[in-house]
Amino acid sequence: DGGITQSPKYLFRKEGQNVTLSCEQNLNHDAMYWYRQDPGQGLRLIYYSQIVNDFQKGDIAEGYSVSREKKESFPLTVTSAQKNPTAFYLCASSIIGGLLGQPQHFGDGTRLSIL
Amino acid sequence: AQTVTQSQPEMSVQEAETVTLSCTYDTSESDYYLFWYKQPPSRQMILVIRQEAYKQQNATENRFSVNFQKAAKSFSLKISDSQLGDAAMYFCAYRRGNNQGGKLIFGQGTELSVKP
Repeated sequence: DGGITQSPKYLFRKEGQNVTLSCEQNLNHDAMYWYRQDPGQGLRLIYYSQIVNDFQKGDIAEGYSVSREKKESFPLTVTSAQKNPTAFYLCASSIIGGLLGQPQHFGDGTRLSIL
Repeated sequence: AQTVTQSQPEMSVQEAETVTLSCTYDTSESDYYLFWYKQPPSRQMILVIRQEAYKQQNATENRFSVNFQKAAKSFSLKISDSQLGDAAMYFCAYRRGNNQGGKLIFGQGTELSVKP
C-alpha cells in the first residue's frame, strides 16, 4: 500500500541536542511538507519542497533544517536553536505542489518532547 | 496574507443528528481550494472533503457536505446522521490556486464530540 511513513513515533530530545525526524513516501509525489501542531493552534508550515534538492521555508522555519536528496525522503532536523520543540510533527506529500487541487496526504506523525 | 478562522473550539452533537462546523477565511485571491480534514484521537489527518473556488456547486461526500459562500468567504461543513466515529478534531484549510508550493493554511480546529 502506498503511503507516508514517519519515524519514530515518539522522540525525546536533550538540551543542546539535534534530532532528526524521518519522513518517507512511496506515493511518487513531487512535493513534501513538514507541519508542526501545537494544542489550540492548528498546523503550521515549517518547510516544504517541490522538487529534489530544493526546498523553501514556511512560516516557522527558525530552528529547523531539512534536506531533499531523494524524491521519497524529506527528513526534518530539529536543532538546538529551536527553544520550544515540544510538539506533534506531521509530514505530508502531494502531487506537483498541489496542482489541480490535489489534497495533501499525511503521515501518522512524530511526537517530540524535551527531556 | 491568507488566514483561516474556526470560531468554534468545541462542538457537540447527538448520534444520528446533524451538526454544522463553521469556517471563514480571508484572501484576495479568486482562485483557490478549500479542504476539511478530520483528525481522530490517533492523530492521523484524513481528508473529508474539498471544494474548488471556481465551482458554484457545493461539494458532497456521503454524509458530509459543505456550504460554500464565496462572497462571504465562508466554508462550513455539515455532517448528517452523525456517528460515534465522527468524533474528532476537524480542521478547515485553504490553498492558493496557482502553483505556490501547494501550501495549506489551517484553521485552529473544532473538536467534535458525538453523544450516544
